[in-house]
Amino acid sequence: KAGVTQTPRYLIKTRGQQVTLSCSPISGHRSVSWYQQTPGQGLQFLFEYFSETQRNKGNFPGRFSGRQFSNSRSEMNVSTLELGDSALYLCASSTRLAGGTDTQYFGPGTRLTVL
Amino acid sequence: TQLLEQSPQFLSIQEGENLTVYCNSSSVFSSLQWYRQEPGEGPVLLVTVVTGGEVKKLKRLTFQFGDARKDSSLHITAAQPGDTGLYLCAGAPQINDYKLSFGAGTTVTVRA
Repeated sequence: KAGVTQTPRYLIKTRGQQVTLSCSPISGHRSVSWYQQTPGQGLQFLFEYFSETQRNKGNFPGRFSGRQFSNSRSEMNVSTLELGDSALYLCASSTRLAGGTDTQYFGPGTRLTVL
Repeated sequence: TQLLEQSPQFLSIQEGENLTVYCNSSSVFSSLQWYRQEPGEGPVLLVTVVTGGEVKKLKRLTFQFGDARKDSSLHITAAQPGDTGLYLCAGAPQINDYKLSFGAGTTVTVRA
């Protein structure tokens, strides 16, 4: 089975621009979560989508948004980029089984640099 | 402020030595997961513990979940250079909660 794929792997943008990152989950997985990883804050939860609906949201400003398509692929968008948005953005997919814990499989991430 | 506190932040040991990484919180978690992350890659799940007092072994790695489900430890026996990486603990406050809270991580370096 192919793993979680994220595109692009690297991205350089300037302040004020916007960016869209893409995540394709493992086949059969319907839940996609997004995380931001920085040296100072570590891994922080952004949001989770399941069946095209946002099910959970972290404490990030409204400039961070996402969506999920009917094929479970997900995109996240960051508008009006700030220097502090430079980070590794990770996507994780899972089956979201009811009634228990579920394994989240991470992609390799998209390294975003804001200049 | 991290919900999960990991210690130590950095650990450098010689091949063959043992090491322990700790993950502590004042909150109770329904489950706790350990991941290992290598540079340029996403975290890879090592284990999930769900029962207070649970101990799981994965070859040379031993994971323990505290009785009160607030803390966990990862012990590596006879560490090898291939064990080098960033070890992360992550907790789910409730069952069916996919909003994982991560510790800041412990960078482990095993010297040959």
